[in-house]
Amino acid sequence: SQKIEQNSEALNIQEGKTATLTCNYTNYSPAYLQWYRQDPGRGPVFLLLIRENEKEKRKERLKVTFDTTLKQSLFHITASQPADSATYLCALPGGARQLTFGSGTQLTVLP
Amino acid sequence: DTGVSQDPRHKITKRGQNVTFRCDPISEHNRLYWYRQTLGQGPEFLTYFQNEAQLEKSRLLSDRFSAERPKGSFSTLEIQRTEQGDSAMYLCASSSLDATDTQYFGPGTRLTVL
Repeated sequence: SQKIEQNSEALNIQEGKTATLTCNYTNYSPAYLQWYRQDPGRGPVFLLLIRENEKEKRKERLKVTFDTTLKQSLFHITASQPADSATYLCALPGGARQLTFGSGTQLTVLP
Repeated sequence: DTGVSQDPRHKITKRGQNVTFRCDPISEHNRLYWYRQTLGQGPEFLTYFQNEAQLEKSRLLSDRFSAERPKGSFSTLEIQRTEQGDSAMYLCASSSLDATDTQYFGPGTRLTVL
């Protein structure tokens, strides 16, 4: 099964800067990788999916890269805002249909 | 609102009691998942249904846990003889029949076992 590691420390950045979150995985290379956002006391919300043959994916201020050689995905939020403060989860296919999630990175954007 | 709903949102129970949670998925979604999440961790997979068939169960799902999806619509998750270690957020998610398993989560049920 996959083991997923995300930034172990909480990440604090200043408003307007770019936040970069890391997701590293072991074992087999997945066909795709997903990023979710989770606010306290709520369920995760899907943000972006990137496939193994895609190097980069963008959606508004979000950018995801996927390096299957390094077994790593980077998640960037440009022009960050306090409203971007949340926990961000990386997820990979974990079996028949379920997802295996990392433990998440807690991002705080300071005004 | 046509998102995933879960009921109750919070449940406090005493050790040894049985509890049942309900999940209503997005109506056109065939797949339904249950996850458990503890503080500081990501969601951990428990079980998965495609329509009414329970196709996969995690080793985390002990004999005290049972899930059903009788008509391929809503699902229930029952925990018998609850233990303090069962305290967690129980999340339900649903997805359509596509290859990417993009999952849409409900708000979760927070279980506290005293």
